[in-house]
Amino acid sequence: DGGITQSPKYLFRKEGQNVTLSCEQNLNHDAMYWYRQDPGQGLRLIYYSQIVNDFQKGDIAEGYSVSREKKESFPLTVTSAQKNPTAFYLCASHPGTVNSPLHFGNGTRLTVT
Amino acid sequence: SQQGEEDPQALSIQEGENATMNCSYKTSINNLQWYRQNSGRGLVHLILIRSNEREKHSGRLRVTLDTSKKSSSLLITASRAADTASYFCATADSWGKLQFGAGTQVVVTP
Repeated sequence: DGGITQSPKYLFRKEGQNVTLSCEQNLNHDAMYWYRQDPGQGLRLIYYSQIVNDFQKGDIAEGYSVSREKKESFPLTVTSAQKNPTAFYLCASHPGTVNSPLHFGNGTRLTVT
Repeated sequence: SQQGEEDPQALSIQEGENATMNCSYKTSINNLQWYRQNSGRGLVHLILIRSNEREKHSGRLRVTLDTSKKSSSLLITASRAADTASYFCATADSWGKLQFGAGTQVVVTP
């Protein structure tokens, strides 16, 4: 059963700690994305990767870092430099063909206190 | 910045009624997509309409696109309690980059 797995579902961290969110896909998609969602708001793009070993900043990349060493995996690290990290984080993948939709994981809710 | 803006922000209807929500955008698009999100979950794709299409149907869903007005609408007919969710429009530019709106929260009461 193909899909995107995000783990963990809930994550709690103390302020000043880095934390890494996992995203794995078995859809054989080339492109992967990280979005941030705040209550009552839409999705904002953090980073995206269209191919292994390459990634680009999105609209709100400051305080975040990513890697894309394998096609299946696109982990997101929320660093201590991110001023307001508490949010719902969504990972998505895309097959790379025009006029195809995104496939989303079920998200990780990060709470930093 | 958000490209798509949904209207209304919230919608409350009874089962069996139709629900209509609108999306407006500012720049030219390659396609427009509608997604659904249940509380605390990821987004699920509903319909993609290309810039050269005017209307598309999928089951109880009907999407229209008016590129001259830079707007789209999503109609859910004969709504059910299970349709309770947030609905987002997203516009794709020629590079495929998606911009999401803030969503319409729909509550369907039995």
